[in-house]
Amino acid sequence: GQNIDQPTEMTATEGAIVQINCTYQTSGFNGLFWYQQHAGEAPTFLSYNVLDGLEEKGRFSSFLSRSKGYSYLLLKELQMKDSASYLCAVRDSNYQLIWGAGTKLIIKP
Amino acid sequence: ETGVTQTPRHLVMGMTNKKSLKCEQHLGHNAMYWYKQSAKKPLELMFVYNFKEQTENNSVPSRFSPECPNSSHLFLHLHTLQPEDSALYLCASSQSRGGEETQYFGPGTRLLVL
Repeated sequence: GQNIDQPTEMTATEGAIVQINCTYQTSGFNGLFWYQQHAGEAPTFLSYNVLDGLEEKGRFSSFLSRSKGYSYLLLKELQMKDSASYLCAVRDSNYQLIWGAGTKLIIKP
Repeated sequence: ETGVTQTPRHLVMGMTNKKSLKCEQHLGHNAMYWYKQSAKKPLELMFVYNFKEQTENNSVPSRFSPECPNSSHLFLHLHTLQPEDSALYLCASSQSRGGEETQYFGPGTRLLVL
């Protein structure tokens, strides 16, 4: 079967750095997405990785290793507004998105 | 504002009611999706429409009936639902062109079935 694993919940301190991991086993690979979802709101697109390596976008970076079936989302200089759920999703060989259950990130002052 | 709107935002219905959820996208996309999101579970893809044609129906019970009259509008008709159908229903759209095809989501309809 296809599976996306990410931690259920993480806690970090304002101003710090946090890394949210995602491992996947899917039938084929056509890209990996990270989304942010605040409580009661729509998931919003953060990043897309299809090649190995690090993609940086301001305070957020996303890393991919296809050989290890592994990605992480790195958030720097954490702000209270970064408290949200972070969803990892992989596009498989049928171009279907397979979703993780999300990681709830709690930021403390 | 992501360019995808959904109405209503909240809905409470009894098991014998009939209601419809509406989604509209203002992004010029050609694909639209319905997802179910339950607490602490992955997003479940329900239906996919490409160029108004249904291309995916992931074993969804017949009490959920989608309708896509044009590439900008998508409906989900609900009838004789069960309490376990209570969830957040999300609509998304994308431009099918190969490559990234990022999906953009609406704010969802929070559904409670009594």
